[in-house]
Amino acid sequence: QSVLTQPPSVSGAPGQRVTISCTGSSSNIGAAYVVNWYQQLPGTAPKLLIYGNTNRPSGVPDRFSGSKSGTSASLAITGLQAEDEADYYCQSYDSRLSGYVFGTGTKVTVL
Amino acid sequence: QVQLQESGPGLVKPSETLSLTCTVSGDSISGFYWSWIRQPPGKGLEWIGDIYDGGITTYTPSLKSRVTISVDTSNNQFSLKMNSVTAADTAVYYCARLLEGRLDPWGQGTLVTVSS
Repeated sequence: QSVLTQPPSVSGAPGQRVTISCTGSSSNIGAAYVVNWYQQLPGTAPKLLIYGNTNRPSGVPDRFSGSKSGTSASLAITGLQAEDEADYYCQSYDSRLSGYVFGTGTKVTVL
Repeated sequence: QVQLQESGPGLVKPSETLSLTCTVSGDSISGFYWSWIRQPPGKGLEWIGDIYDGGITTYTPSLKSRVTISVDTSNNQFSLKMNSVTAADTAVYYCARLLEGRLDPWGQGTLVTVSS
């Protein structure tokens, strides 16, 4: 059971900006644990996209950005491209469960 | 760079034990945390647990009674055992390095089907 809630799907035309929300609670995101984001292209393993709330690993385009406020976090994709069509997951730590938790996942569709 | 590769049987019978190994290359397994994550077909990701090279483990509460993660530093590997499996344990199983709360990199994943 996921304790981080994401919208099931978001879509946008090429070049547009889309955002994905990740809603948690006081035992995870609200407790100041970092939020990380992963991109999972069809048929492949997840890949780290954003770490420590806002940081991009080397090689990740600056079209991807992360933010966090209170008990929620967001991933923004600007200048949407066809290659961005994938599933996206947020992840954090939960003190009540004493373990790591993932969001429910969001499918991004490029129209 | 660090690379991970999962290995193990792709088919396990109900009530038996699932056993997977993750081989780490490109760096020593010592000094890091290592995790197992699974993804049922068409569903989301579930963190299973992690281990530090000293053998310290943490498991997700829902699986804690059935799961054991161990490490073999001499072979740069860590392993997952899950007993009493059912069809609900059918999933792609991934291993990953856990560093400052983030999972990176990941192995390519291995599909384990529970069926008689």
